[in-house]
Amino acid sequence: EIVMTQSPATLSVSPGEGATLSCRASQSVSRNLGWYQQKPGQAPRLLISGASTRATGIPARFSGSGSGTEFTLTISSLQSEDFAVYYCQQYNNWPPTFGQGTKLEIK
Amino acid sequence: QVQLVQSGAEVKKPGSSVKVSCKASGGTFSNFAISWVRQAPGQGLEWMGGIVPLIDSRNYAQKFQGRVSIVADEPTSTAFLELSSLRSDDTAVYFCAARYGSGSYYMFASWGQGTLVSVSS
Repeated sequence: EIVMTQSPATLSVSPGEGATLSCRASQSVSRNLGWYQQKPGQAPRLLISGASTRATGIPARFSGSGSGTEFTLTISSLQSEDFAVYYCQQYNNWPPTFGQGTKLEIK
Repeated sequence: QVQLVQSGAEVKKPGSSVKVSCKASGGTFSNFAISWVRQAPGQGLEWMGGIVPLIDSRNYAQKFQGRVSIVADEPTSTAFLELSSLRSDDTAVYFCAARYGSGSYYMFASWGQGTLVSVSS
């Protein structure tokens, strides 16, 4: 199965600043990559699909890029509600697999 | 708007089974592809298996083969996850997650609220 590796494990950023989260796949997943946000006690929420397409209702400050094995989620001008755990997930190959998550915390 | 509503928390003994439900609304049930994803306390997300009701196709992660069953009941628009031979390390929040319409079966645009299953003697 494809292993998804996220970095860093924890990212400390001040509100108003930007953040860049990385996700690497152990083999190419083309652009079949999603990003999810999860807050404590809540279900994950889809942010990005197809590596770069924002889901319905997701603010423009969230952007995704990459293809193949290297992907990035960029959040510009962090708001208080953006501090959460972020997961990438590939759905190019069966079984679908998730990264271990990046915790975005307030600096 | 697609919505998934799961059944309530469960407390189970080791060796027993649990059945969790996920009721879908806001769309035609046959257009859903529903998966189950679990999250152990403080851990990440783990895909367990999925079902496509339209073609009655089911598949399971190798880790759970033989212990897991996923079924769908179209008249009630409900999917069910049954996990047997429960162990303490099955303690987790179990989410149903779905794709509605076109696209990959495993791109999860909608999620249930989660069901906590606690396994303890």
